[in-house]
Amino acid sequence: AQSVTQLGSHVSVSEGALVLLRCNYSSSVPPYLFWYVQYPNQGLQLLLKYTSAATLVKGINDFEAEFKKSETSFHLTKPSAHMSDAAEYFCAVSESGGSYIPTFGRGTSLIVHP
Amino acid sequence: EAQVTQNPRYLITVTGKKLTVTCSQNMNHEYMSWYRQDPGLGLRQIYYSMNVEVTDKGDVPEGYKVSRKEKRNFPLILESPSPNQTSLYFCASSKPRGSNTGELFFGEGSRLTVL
Repeated sequence: AQSVTQLGSHVSVSEGALVLLRCNYSSSVPPYLFWYVQYPNQGLQLLLKYTSAATLVKGINDFEAEFKKSETSFHLTKPSAHMSDAAEYFCAVSESGGSYIPTFGRGTSLIVHP
Repeated sequence: EAQVTQNPRYLITVTGKKLTVTCSQNMNHEYMSWYRQDPGLGLRQIYYSMNVEVTDKGDVPEGYKVSRKEKRNFPLILESPSPNQTSLYFCASSKPRGSNTGELFFGEGSRLTVL
């Protein structure tokens, strides 16, 4: 069985500050890991994914995430927040070699203050 | 353009009046799924389909029906809507099994209000 925990339903940062959104997962087999972003009044779009290649994954808009097996984590970071980054962020896990149906975390709302 | 298309995008209806939310994808994806999104609860899976004529319940299937008669279409049916089905609904699809990692492609969402 697989599960995802996103710490913090809301994260607030100032424009220009570091963004850190936390995601921990559990999986009985090597996982595939994803971050999706949902801008207001839009559907979800893929931000980045880890599929067992490089552990540091770079995505769109300068976001990146690092897969840490020992910590079962896949935290999302961005060096400098922009106002346009305000959105809902979802972490998801699927199991390699399994049904590949992903399980989603509850989401974290990123608020960016001027 | 590769996309998942949902209709309607917005709907207000009354309790008990049957409605269908359509979903269509043009990427030849085998896997399709419906989710509902509610504040504080994230995304919850309603139903999914691994292929034509193959459907299965997700986490919150009560009050919903689906069908998969064609590969590209996966409509969500609310036979007798109730106010607790007021929500934002998303359809999603995924690549063929052989190359799949679980990455989903989402529609724009359908906001349903049941009075």
